[in-house]
Amino acid sequence: GAVVSQHPSWVICKSGTSVKIECRSLDFQATTMFWYRQFPKQSLMLMATSNEGSKATYEQGVEKDKFLINHASLTLSTLTVTSAHPEDSSFYICSATGLAGGSPDTQYFGPGTRLTVL
Amino acid sequence: AQTVTQSQPEMSVQEAETVTLSCTYDTSESDYYLFWYKQPPSRQMILVIRQEAYKQQNATENRFSVNFQKAAKSFSLKISDSQLGDAAMYFCAYIKTSGSRLTFGEGTQLTVNP
Repeated sequence: GAVVSQHPSWVICKSGTSVKIECRSLDFQATTMFWYRQFPKQSLMLMATSNEGSKATYEQGVEKDKFLINHASLTLSTLTVTSAHPEDSSFYICSATGLAGGSPDTQYFGPGTRLTVL
Repeated sequence: AQTVTQSQPEMSVQEAETVTLSCTYDTSESDYYLFWYKQPPSRQMILVIRQEAYKQQNATENRFSVNFQKAAKSFSLKISDSQLGDAAMYFCAYIKTSGSRLTFGEGTQLTVNP
């Protein structure tokens, strides 16, 4: 139980285009989802927290107009990187916590999405 | 603010031997949860073990066990009978309450030598 999927696993895009990353909880209802960014050999950096049906809460320094987060259902959250630039190239990971399939205090992670902006 | 510190950036262990990864944290809360996550080269974050602060008994999961010292704010991970597949980055993490943010340590890169 408590499986989280992420799609795509790898995406390459041109500078100036937008990219959407999907995060799905497959066997439980995710009341809260989190989006992280990770640079090589570093820890995870929280970008934002989203609760189903509510606006996301962004961490200080994260541009909410650039990183659009939507959590429209209890099983799906999306992160859209708008007008992507090479400095947005990174590994993006989502996690989810909720009911059934695991403990409500435990975050279960997706496999991550590697974004490369040319 | 809560902080999590992993003082060992890198550790190595011989296959079949035991290794202990250190973690300390700082919080003023009395109830919270602590975790160890593993991130192998695939970069998938995998939950290794979970500890509730109100439980005095140390959590165990097969070859993985923790030494939770609440007063000292210490939460070390012991891996017994190390296997090649245990090689990964290990992150210690803290959470105050359900649905709140995880605070991660900087990670310990574990190498398992055959």
